[in-house]
Amino acid sequence: GAVVSQHPSWVICKSGTSVKIECRSLDFQATTMFWYRQFPKQSLMLMATSNEGSKATYEQGVEKDKFLINHASLTLSTLTVTSAHPEDSSFYICSAREVGGDPYEQYFGPGTRLTVT
Amino acid sequence: EDKVVQSPLSLVVHEGDTVTLNCSYEVTNFRSLLWYKQEKKAPTFLFMLTSSGIEKKSGRLSSILDKKELFSILNITATQTGDSAVYLCAVQSGSARQLTFGSGTQLTVLP
Repeated sequence: GAVVSQHPSWVICKSGTSVKIECRSLDFQATTMFWYRQFPKQSLMLMATSNEGSKATYEQGVEKDKFLINHASLTLSTLTVTSAHPEDSSFYICSAREVGGDPYEQYFGPGTRLTVT
Repeated sequence: EDKVVQSPLSLVVHEGDTVTLNCSYEVTNFRSLLWYKQEKKAPTFLFMLTSSGIEKKSGRLSSILDKKELFSILNITATQTGDSAVYLCAVQSGSARQLTFGSGTQLTVLP
């Protein structure tokens, strides 16, 4: 149980276009989902915390108008990278916390590798 | 600002060796400390520690937390080449229980 999927697993896009990444909890409901970014040979950096039905909370230095997060249901959160540039190329990972589950536990998705050319 | 520091940054050992990875932290409103193993993709969960002094063990891996000194160690005994990975330490804090990750330790186990 407790499986999180991400789609797509990898994407290549041209500079200036927008890309949407989906994060789904497959067999549980998640009130809270987290979005992380990981640059090569670096650790995961939390970008934002997404709560179902409310606005996401962004970490300092993360542009909310550039990284649009929507958490419209208890099983789906989306991250849209708008007007992507090469410096946005990174590995984007989501995690989810189960409704009524252990508050300590987060389940990670497999990640999405974004390359902006 | 919450901070998690791991050491060493990288480690190269031979099969059969025992390794100890370190993680120290400074966070407000500590909830738990977690260890993950990351190979090519997203991290896979190893341990979650909330109480001091209680060792968690899974096969050749074990971990312990010291909440007074604010650190944790991850031990791997009888290492195998399949243990080669980046080991991440993360601390969960705050009301939202978000994770702050350390930079990771790159472990390479040579045959």
